[in-house]
Amino acid sequence: GENVEQHPSTLSVQEGDSAVIKCTYSDSASNYFPWYKQELGKRPQLIIDIRSNVGEKKDQRIAVTLNKTAKHFSLHITETQPEDSAVYFCAPLKYNFNKFYFGSGTKLNVKP
Amino acid sequence: DVKVTQSSRYLVKRTGEKVFLECVQDMDHENMFWYRQDPGLGLRLIYFSYDVKMKEKGDIPEGYSVSREKKERFSLILESASTNQTSMYLCASSPSDSGEKLFFGSGTQLSVL
Repeated sequence: GENVEQHPSTLSVQEGDSAVIKCTYSDSASNYFPWYKQELGKRPQLIIDIRSNVGEKKDQRIAVTLNKTAKHFSLHITETQPEDSAVYFCAPLKYNFNKFYFGSGTKLNVKP
Repeated sequence: DVKVTQSSRYLVKRTGEKVFLECVQDMDHENMFWYRQDPGLGLRLIYFSYDVKMKEKGDIPEGYSVSREKKERFSLILESASTNQTSMYLCASSPSDSGEKLFFGSGTQLSVL
């Protein structure tokens, strides 16, 4: 199956700073690239996703960028706030193949 | 709003017991999944189902089986629970096979003593 790696595994930033989490994958046929956020004690929820026909997508303070050639995509959070503290997972997927393989997660801590 | 409901939030069982974890979704989704979540390992896929009575193995199916007799319900079965199956179990569903978002249940924390 897909080999998915996330870096870093933990990230600590000061409130207001930016945070970047990178996800690398092995299957060049992957064409759907979501990021999930899991707050402590809660279920994972989709926060942003991108498909392979675009290189970047923004939604307020979060953005996802995709580099298909290098087989990685990144989550960018600007002006971080304490409520951004959570574990973030990537889960690249290829079309018509529904096994979502998740990265091992990145624990983001935003210090007030 | 999509609702994925897992029958138990916390469960304590003894080694060797047969354990059933139930999951129900209310949005007529074709696909349903069972993951286990362990610290540092992320979410690992145990089994998934893309239709009633259909199932496919994920990465770690050993020691588990599943049942999908109705579209809305997907059950995970531990035939003989072992201590290394102590984990958080997450059920999820998605509406199609074209790469759509997963909707997760709130999870079942299973402890096997």
